[in-house]
Amino acid sequence: DTAVSQTPKYLVTQMGNDKSIKCEQNLGHDTMYWYKQDSKKFLKIMFSYNNKELIINETVPNRFSPKSPDKAHLNLHINSLELGDSAVYFCASSQGEGFGEQFFGPGTRLTVL
Amino acid sequence: DQQVKQNSPSLSVQEGRISILNCDYTNSMFDYFLWYKKYPAEGPTFLISISSIKDKNEDGRFTVFLNKSAKHLSLHIVPSQPGDSAVYFCAAISNNAGNMLTFGGGTRLMVKP
Repeated sequence: DTAVSQTPKYLVTQMGNDKSIKCEQNLGHDTMYWYKQDSKKFLKIMFSYNNKELIINETVPNRFSPKSPDKAHLNLHINSLELGDSAVYFCASSQGEGFGEQFFGPGTRLTVL
Repeated sequence: DQQVKQNSPSLSVQEGRISILNCDYTNSMFDYFLWYKKYPAEGPTFLISISSIKDKNEDGRFTVFLNKSAKHLSLHIVPSQPGDSAVYFCAAISNNAGNMLTFGGGTRLMVKP
């Protein structure tokens, strides 16, 4: 009965590959997010998405793209992976567009070799 | 350019004593502030929040204080328990940036028995 789940938990891949991380929430929330925690442990927002709009943090390279097949899923696609993409990626969800509490998934540790 | 800063990377406190975690911000557009707690290999979990129209919010052992003029907030945990040992992240939201959280760098709290 996990609220926000992510797969895989660990992902090791070579530079230049394309990979995806899946996120699912069973809370009925209408807004989902992706965050990146870098090697210095800073958590930074990458995307916010609901059925009305996608908000992109301007610092995110366009190699990263979120895809939402339905309201409960927001997958993260990464093209042409680079060494600097190695990080822990967290998915989160919340209800509404106001200042709602966000529920986070357990994270996916991506290592690019 | 960190808009939310937690200047103490770590804090050690004796069980039963008060833990005070501090957070400073620079963006005067922030309207809402949250504290998240994170255990290793897990996603952040929401702890407590405060609106910019308030200066204090209390929930059990946890109290958050906001000083808008100083752009400073703090989280008080009393009494501290060993299970409180975790990394605590301060986060902020501005109403013109969707519901995207801007996180501080985190403070590792260690509560010694």
